[in-house]
Amino acid sequence: QQQVKQSPQSLIVQKGGISIINCAYENTAFDYFPWYQQFPGKGPALLIAIRPDVSEKKEGRFTISFNKSAKQFSLHIMDSQPGDSATYFCAASIEVGETSGSRLTFGEGTQLTVNP
Amino acid sequence: GAGVSQSPRYKVAKRGQDVALRCDPISGHVSLFWYQQALGQGPEFLTYFQNEAQLDKSGLPSDRFFAERPEGSVSTLKIQRTQQEDSAVYLCASSLVGIGWRLRLNTEAFFGQGTRLTVV
Repeated sequence: QQQVKQSPQSLIVQKGGISIINCAYENTAFDYFPWYQQFPGKGPALLIAIRPDVSEKKEGRFTISFNKSAKQFSLHIMDSQPGDSATYFCAASIEVGETSGSRLTFGEGTQLTVNP
Repeated sequence: GAGVSQSPRYKVAKRGQDVALRCDPISGHVSLFWYQQALGQGPEFLTYFQNEAQLDKSGLPSDRFFAERPEGSVSTLKIQRTQQEDSAVYLCASSLVGIGWRLRLNTEAFFGQGTRLTVV
């Protein structure tokens, strides 16, 4: 059962443009929503994360928008750069009160290409 | 290095062979996770350790998969009688906190580079 659905599967943007990746989740118990960036041959690295008590979080060029009622969250990359070209994964976990660790449930991934 | 280290980076196994994959987590990290990442897919949870205790192994796909962390630091994922469908990248992740944390602390999981297993 796919608990976190991610779209689009691939995305091509021009340098300086805005990249937008969307995710939807099913389990209302999720309370931690990170985004991971993965380069070829590397493990995923945390990019930015949000908890459901806020609707938006911004760190530099990266912004997460969170809609609790719709059970959706999205990543916005402003002023996209060729160095941002990577695979992006949204994820969700149960952080508070979890009795078996904050295991992550990942989306399917979005391959982002930023053309110079 | 200060990061999560996995070895080997690449492993080619003949079908039916047993393999062992090693993970050295960040020193002092309580939680350790194993994930399986198929080509073009997101990582999928396999198992979780808090120190030496394996608290969740619900993601292990079959009884051919076995994981241990005997001293609460290094972990080994063992796959017996490998099959072609076991071909994937196996990722290890560690985080500082364990269960019982009721505060909303940063529970960032740090991933290793993974071991790419190819079963031929």
